Amino acid sequence: TQTVSQSDAHVTVFEGDSVELRCNYSYGGSIYLSWYIQHHGRGLQFLLKYYSGNPVVQGVNGFKAEFSKSDSSFHLRKASVHWSDSAVYFCAVRNTGNYKYVFGAGTRLKVIA
Amino acid sequence: DTTVKQNPRYKLARVGKPVNLICSQTMNHDTMYWYQKKPNQAPKLLLFYYDKILNREADTFEKFQSSRPNNSFCSLYIGSAGLEYSAMYLCASSRDSAETLYFGSGTRLTVL
Repeated sequence: TQTVSQSDAHVTVFEGDSVELRCNYSYGGSIYLSWYIQHHGRGLQFLLKYYSGNPVVQGVNGFKAEFSKSDSSFHLRKASVHWSDSAVYFCAVRNTGNYKYVFGAGTRLKVIA
Repeated sequence: DTTVKQNPRYKLARVGKPVNLICSQTMNHDTMYWYQKKPNQAPKLLLFYYDKILNREADTFEKFQSSRPNNSFCSLYIGSAGLEYSAMYLCASSRDSAETLYFGSGTRLTVL
């Protein structure tokens, strides 16, 4: 069974700060890892994904994530956040053998201007 | 156009009554998904269509039905709504198994 854990339900930072949103998963096989963002009142939007190759993947708006097989992690980072980055961020994992995306419960990021 | 549209945006239903939610996409995606999202919980996969083949999750198998009369359209049907069905229902689509999910804005269902 695949599980995704986002350990921080809420993260608050000031504009210009760096941020790391944590994601850990449990699955031993070949997987896809993704991050999605949900602004208030809107649907989830794709940020970035990883399948193979360079463990650091670049996404939109300065976001990047790093895959670590040893830690079973796929943490999302941004060097300098903007107030518009305030949203809920979801980590997702999918087994390459099926179509099921499993999501974490999300981390609500609040950026104080 | 990379949008997934869901109707209605808000839905009010009575306990015991049926509910039908609608989703459409014009991207010719072969896979369409329905997720249930409750506050502070992860989106929970209910079912998905790959082309015309419906796959329902084991723990929600008897609670939700769906139809996909054509590639663009997918519905979610609840035969008899209970209070526990109150949630946000998210529709998503993807071009193939490896691709990005495109989500609609969701339908917020409230069962009274």
